[in-house]
Amino acid sequence: DIQMTQSPSYLSASIGDRVTITCRASQSISTYVNWYQQKPGKAPKALIYAATGLQSGVPSRFSGSASGTLFTLSISSLQPEDFATYYCQQSFSVPWTFGQGTKVDIK
Amino acid sequence: QVQLQESGPGLVKPSETLSLTCTVSGGSISNFYWSWIRQSPGKGLEWIGFVSYSGSSTYNPSLNGRVTMSLDPSKNDLSLRLTSVSAADSAVYYCARAGWKHPPDNCFDAWGQGIQVTVSS
Repeated sequence: DIQMTQSPSYLSASIGDRVTITCRASQSISTYVNWYQQKPGKAPKALIYAATGLQSGVPSRFSGSASGTLFTLSISSLQPEDFATYYCQQSFSVPWTFGQGTKVDIK
Repeated sequence: QVQLQESGPGLVKPSETLSLTCTVSGGSISNFYWSWIRQSPGKGLEWIGFVSYSGSSTYNPSLNGRVTMSLDPSKNDLSLRLTSVSAADSAVYYCARAGWKHPPDNCFDAWGQGIQVTVSS
């Protein structure tokens, strides 16, 4: 199985901060990485598809990038509604796998 | 926009079969891929499998052949069956749409709200 290792597991940030979350794949997966946001008691919501594509309706402060097996989710200016847990996920090969999550909390 | 709603028993006895249904409204199940995903505190998010609009399916090998997924276009819903359950199968189960493109170009772009399933006698 392809392992998706996210870092950090937890980060504390302030409103307006730029936030970066990384996800490293255990092998080459082209750009078949998606990012999701999950709030407590809710289902995950798609933010980024295919490493860099912004899902419809998602604010432009969210962006994704890729370099080899390292994938990054960035939030340019953290807003109150962005405090949540974020997951990466690969669809390159079965079984599709998720990262362990990064919880973004208020400083 | 499309909405997904999971339904089924919240409590299943060990060794029995877990059966869930996902009803899709606001859009057709045709021409899309559909998945079930579960989430538990110990295992995080775990992909269970996907079924295509053609009816073909692919499952997570970790489930050791215990899972079956199917689509019912006449009801616009999809179903999940997981046999021989144990406590390790206790989780929140989500159905999700995995887009219209062929694998591996898939993203879970719509999710149900999730249903808690507990395996206990």
